[in-house]
Amino acid sequence: NAGVTQTPKFRVLKTGQSMTLLCAQDMNHEYMYWYRQDPGMGLRLIHYSVGEGTTAKGEVPDGYNVSRLKKQNFLLGLESAAPSQTSVYFCASIRRFESLYEQYFGPGTRLTVT
Amino acid sequence: SQQGEEDPQALSIQEGENATMNCSYKTSINNLQWYRQNSGRGLVHLILIRSNEREKHSGRLRVTLDTSKKSSSLLITASRAADTASYFCATDGGRGSTLGRLYFGRGTQLTVWP
Repeated sequence: NAGVTQTPKFRVLKTGQSMTLLCAQDMNHEYMYWYRQDPGMGLRLIHYSVGEGTTAKGEVPDGYNVSRLKKQNFLLGLESAAPSQTSVYFCASIRRFESLYEQYFGPGTRLTVT
Repeated sequence: SQQGEEDPQALSIQEGENATMNCSYKTSINNLQWYRQNSGRGLVHLILIRSNEREKHSGRLRVTLDTSKKSSSLLITASRAADTASYFCATDGGRGSTLGRLYFGRGTQLTVWP
């Protein structure tokens, strides 16, 4: 049981390049989230998914796209990277129990855009 | 903003001392959670307290919740150097908010000196 994994762990991009971050979970969770974390700030929600084939925008969705073709995977895409997207990206999957939700986080992807 | 705010931003103590961190939030909640983040790692769930609970314990952790003041505190007793990390509170935004979504504060950086 690997929990939540993220690929890659580190990446350096040049402005205008594209890339896809992969999040995978093996806990059969329905809900998955993508956050970014910047120095001195908490986590900000980029996009989320409440089930296979569904996605929705969070607080800071501009410049990102997502897809949830398989329940266990949630992909975050940057079509044309900008320096403002330099950040640490965390994926989380959510365990639902009773009416409560507990988030399980991946180890993060550190992205630098030059 | 619905996010919680932790106080203080940074806390430095000696091993064996107790560490207290506070969190204030703005909206009604169903539950409040505390997470821990070691440097360069993802967030790890520590404890969840429901809105109808006033206090909860887990090992050396004690969490209190005062919904009338919209505040919570996390107490770590007999701290250890290994407790050095950032601690975040997260609220669920209460009724009407996106299911499973959490709102994170900016965190308290705790340093425990041996």
